[in-house]
Amino acid sequence: GENVEQHPSTLSVQEGDSAVIKCTYSDSASNYFPWYKQELGKRPQLIIDIRSNVGEKKDQRIAVTLNKTAKHFSLHITETQPEDSAVYFCAASLLGGGQNFVFGPGTRLSVLP
Amino acid sequence: GAVVSQHPSWVICKSGTSVKIECRSLDFQATTMFWYRQFPKQSLMLMATSNEGSKATYEQGVEKDKFLINHASLTLSTLTVTSAHPEDSSFYICSASPDAAGVDGELFFGEGSRLTVL
Repeated sequence: GENVEQHPSTLSVQEGDSAVIKCTYSDSASNYFPWYKQELGKRPQLIIDIRSNVGEKKDQRIAVTLNKTAKHFSLHITETQPEDSAVYFCAASLLGGGQNFVFGPGTRLSVLP
Repeated sequence: GAVVSQHPSWVICKSGTSVKIECRSLDFQATTMFWYRQFPKQSLMLMATSNEGSKATYEQGVEKDKFLINHASLTLSTLTVTSAHPEDSSFYICSASPDAAGVDGELFFGEGSRLTVL
């Protein structure tokens, strides 16, 4: 089955700096890679996703890159703000394959003012 | 986006009792819902896939007799933790998608239910 690894487990950056979180997956059949942000005690919320037919996607300060050959994808947050502090989870899934998302272990991002 | 709601948000119970958690899709029908468990500072672990009108599919290592799932309608799935013990204390989250075929991708999560078993 699919296995998703995520690094780093914790990340502290100064406000305004960039943050990068990396994930690798094992199942080459996976074709959908969402990133979720979860604030303490709250539900995970989708912030960006990418499908395997593109290599990069950007939404304002957030971008995701995908390397299908190497089976890894990364989340990039630029100009970080304190409200970006949260736990970020990557996931891998096969669209149309039962929506079985396999989540990474998470990265706790702290943006220091 | 679609809205998924869970109830209760918090529940404290005595060891040996059973607790029911509800997951509702408020503005769409969901033939499939997913139940996750999340321990503190850990990731979301899929427990089971809830299928409307049929039996749930449980992940390996999840006791189906302990975590009873009922998906009796297209907008409601329930998770009952039977004979709860302190080790069952956790954050339980459900998710669902308006896209029954699963080709759109996005999953919407409920608020989560924090269970504490004394």
